[in-house]
Amino acid sequence: AQSVTQLDSHVSVSEGTPVLLRCNYSSSYSPSLFWYVQHPNKGLQLLLKYTSAATLVKGINGFEAEFKKSETSFHLTKPSAHMSDAAEYFCVVRPNTPLVFGKGTRLSVIA
Amino acid sequence: DGGITQSPKYLFRKEGQNVTLSCEQNLNHDAMYWYRQDPGQGLRLIYYSQIVNDFQKGDIAEGYSVSREKKESFPLTVTSAQKNPTAFYLCASSIGRGSTSTDTQYFGPGTRLTVL
Repeated sequence: AQSVTQLDSHVSVSEGTPVLLRCNYSSSYSPSLFWYVQHPNKGLQLLLKYTSAATLVKGINGFEAEFKKSETSFHLTKPSAHMSDAAEYFCVVRPNTPLVFGKGTRLSVIA
Repeated sequence: DGGITQSPKYLFRKEGQNVTLSCEQNLNHDAMYWYRQDPGQGLRLIYYSQIVNDFQKGDIAEGYSVSREKKESFPLTVTSAQKNPTAFYLCASSIGRGSTSTDTQYFGPGTRLTVL
């Protein structure tokens, strides 16, 4: 069975410091992996996706993620947090079926 | 202006009533999806459709029904059989057409349903 585990339900950082949101996956296939962001009472916006090309994937708003097959991880990072980054982030895996979502990580950014 | 629209943004329903949530897309996508979001649980798939006049149950289809009479529209009906319908409902679409796992889903803004 395919699954996604987001290791932290809540992460809090100070503005200007690095962001790390952790995600581990389980998949029998070589999956596609996604990160989505959701601001309060809004839909989900795609940040980036991995599709078996380069293992380091760059997304929008300065975010990037690295696919590590040996660790079955796809952690999301950003060098410097902005107040506008405060939101819920979802790690998502798609083997060859509809998407499988992690439970989300809420990112708080402190001024 | 392309995208996915959902209406209404907020919806209130009395117990025992059916209610229909609208989802429309003008992206020319073949595949459409309905998800339910509850706090701390991520998104769970209710129904999806890969082509007009065809749809499949997702993980939590009980108490819900859908139709796909037009490519652009995928309405979701929450029936009185759904025991706990209060939630945030998200519609999504993707290119589909038998594409591989690289297919990206694009989401609408959501409808918040509250049962009074």
